[in-house]
Amino acid sequence: GQQVMQIPQYQHVQEGEDFTTYCNSSTTLSNIQWYKQRPGGHPVFLIQLVKSGEVKKQKRLTFQFGEAKKNSSLHITATQTTDVGTYFCAPGGSTLGRLYFGRGTQLTVWP
Amino acid sequence: KAGVTQTPRYLIKTRGQQVTLSCSPISGHRSVSWYQQTPGQGLQFLFEYFSETQRNKGNFPGRFSGRQFSNSRSEMNVSTLELGDSALYLCASSLAQGANGELFFGEGSRLTVL
Repeated sequence: GQQVMQIPQYQHVQEGEDFTTYCNSSTTLSNIQWYKQRPGGHPVFLIQLVKSGEVKKQKRLTFQFGEAKKNSSLHITATQTTDVGTYFCAPGGSTLGRLYFGRGTQLTVWP
Repeated sequence: KAGVTQTPRYLIKTRGQQVTLSCSPISGHRSVSWYQQTPGQGLQFLFEYFSETQRNKGNFPGRFSGRQFSNSRSEMNVSTLELGDSALYLCASSLAQGANGELFFGEGSRLTVL
C-alpha cells in the first residue's frame, strides 16, 4: 500500500506552545488528507491538500504540502487543551487511495 | 444527514467465538472501508467494499471477512476470535471508490476478547 511515515509518535506540550507533526512518503502523492481523533472518539476529517507547495490555514492550524508532494506537515500555533488528540495523515490518489493511514501523532497538552 | 452508524458499540466475546459487526454508511455513499485500531498499531486497513464487491484487502488473516449489501450497508465478521483481536473496529464511508474522497468514520465497535 501507499505508506507514509508520521513523526513524532507522541508529543507533550504545555498549553500555549506550538506543535508540529510531519508526514513523509517515499513516493509522490496526488494529495494528502489530515484527520483528528479525540480521545475516545473517531477520526474526523480536517483538510485535504492537493497542490505542490500548498499551504492552508484553519484558525491556529497550518497545513503544508511539500513542493515535491512527498511530505506534509500540520502546525498548531499556541496549543490549547482542546487540541488534545491524535492527528493522522492519509495519502490519496493511487488506486488504493486513502486506505492506509500514518501511525498518527498523539498530542497531549498540559494546562 | 445521518452519519455513519456502527452496531454494536461495545461487545465482549471469548476466544474461539465469532463476531459480526454492522455498518450503515451515509446515504448515497457506496464505498465502505473497515479499519482495526489498537493502541500499538494505529489504524490498520482491513478491507474496502464498493457496490457490493470487495475492492481492496489489507494484510489480515482469512478469519476476517466482510460483505456489502445492495443498500451499501456492510458487515464484517471475525471467526475463531483471538485475544489479539481486541480492538476498536471503525467503519468509514466515502462517495468514491478506493477511499479517494473524504472518509466519514462511525464511532466504532469496541470488541473485547477474553
